[in-house]
Amino acid sequence: KAGVTQTPRYLIKTRGQQVTLSCSPISGHRSVSWYQQTPGQGLQFLFEYFSETQRNKGNFPGRFSGRQFSNSRSEMNVSTLELGDSALYLCASSWAGSRSTDTQYFGPGTRLTVL
Amino acid sequence: DAKTTQPPSMDCAEGRAANLPCNHSTISGNEYVYWYRQIHSQGPQYIIHGLKNNETNEMASLIITEDRKSSTLILPHATLRDTAVYYCIVSPSYNNNDMRFGAGTRLTVKP
Repeated sequence: KAGVTQTPRYLIKTRGQQVTLSCSPISGHRSVSWYQQTPGQGLQFLFEYFSETQRNKGNFPGRFSGRQFSNSRSEMNVSTLELGDSALYLCASSWAGSRSTDTQYFGPGTRLTVL
Repeated sequence: DAKTTQPPSMDCAEGRAANLPCNHSTISGNEYVYWYRQIHSQGPQYIIHGLKNNETNEMASLIITEDRKSSTLILPHATLRDTAVYYCIVSPSYNNNDMRFGAGTRLTVKP
């Protein structure tokens, strides 16, 4: 079974631009979560989508948004990029996220650099 | 706001067991202990999780104390490829897609 895939793997943008990152979950998984990882803050939860609805949200500004499609693929968007948005953005998927035996599986991440 | 405490770094000799401790003294009754690891610049990899019983899979063993306030991840025969940052996370079963990662333990396996 193919793992979680993320595109693009690397991205360079300039301040003020916007960016869209894509995540394809493991086949059959319906929950997709997004995380931001920086050297200073570590791994931080952004938001989670399940059945095209945002089910949970971390403590990030409104510039960070996401959506999920009917096939469970998800995108996250960051508008008005700031230098501090440079990070590794990770996507994780799970079947439903509400069972004790459920587990999140992470993709390889998208490395975003803001200049 | 991670609910776990781990040593920042540990070393282990290749072929020996690596025992990684984690304190989670405020764990709630419905929270599981999860372990992930992250090899440089890759996405975190799931290792194992448990509630109160000890667990074992092909990668590792998880030992949880009876009071559930601490646990130990055991890699029975560490190899150089096990060098990574290991994260211990507690998460409720009803919401385990919002994982609060701490700083983790950087394990270095040495030849």
